Amino acid sequence: AQSVTQPDIHITVSEGASLELRCNYSYGATPYLFWYVQSPGQGLQLLLKYFSGDTLVQGIKGFEAEFKRSQSSFNLRKPSVHWSDAAEYFCAVGASSGTYKYIFGTGTRLKVLA
Amino acid sequence: SQTIHQWPATLVQPVGSPLSLECTVEGTSNPNLYWYRQAAGRGLQLLFYSIGIDQISSEVPQNLSASRPQDRQFILSSKKLLLSDSGFYLCAWSNEQDRGLGYGYTFGSGTRLTVV
Repeated sequence: AQSVTQPDIHITVSEGASLELRCNYSYGATPYLFWYVQSPGQGLQLLLKYFSGDTLVQGIKGFEAEFKRSQSSFNLRKPSVHWSDAAEYFCAVGASSGTYKYIFGTGTRLKVLA
Repeated sequence: SQTIHQWPATLVQPVGSPLSLECTVEGTSNPNLYWYRQAAGRGLQLLFYSIGIDQISSEVPQNLSASRPQDRQFILSSKKLLLSDSGFYLCAWSNEQDRGLGYGYTFGSGTRLTVV
């Protein structure tokens, strides 16, 4: 069965520092992968998604993610974090064809120090 | 453009009272609709999803139910709330052609439910 693991529950970085949030998936075929961001008390907003092709995907708000099949990973990165990036980040994988569902990780809460 | 509306934004209800949360989507037809719950400090739990009117699948057996009275309306209900029903409820929609193959969800802004 498909699964998504986000190993880091909390991450704290200083403003201006680089960021990498980890996501590992388990899926038998080529996955469809997503990163979402959730600000406190808000819904989830799609940051970026990977279907196929170029393994480095650019998203909104200066985020990018790299799909690495050999490592079953889809890590989210940002070269320089802003205080407004403080939020919770969720990785998700498209489930098997025909199921209409996505599998979400448990999330990583990002804290940004001024 | 498509929009999703979810209300109310916050709700405080006593134990044993009924619940009705509403979600509507505009600008698309025959969307796939979803209800998720997010408990404090936990991830997203899929509660129900619907690929059409009268086609609702339940993921987690509990005292909640869902209905889809119209194509773009999805309602989450309970006859008697429990303390454990407290949480953040999110509605989402995806393209009708999406079968988990990559279109992604668009989420509503959520309802914070506190059962007291």
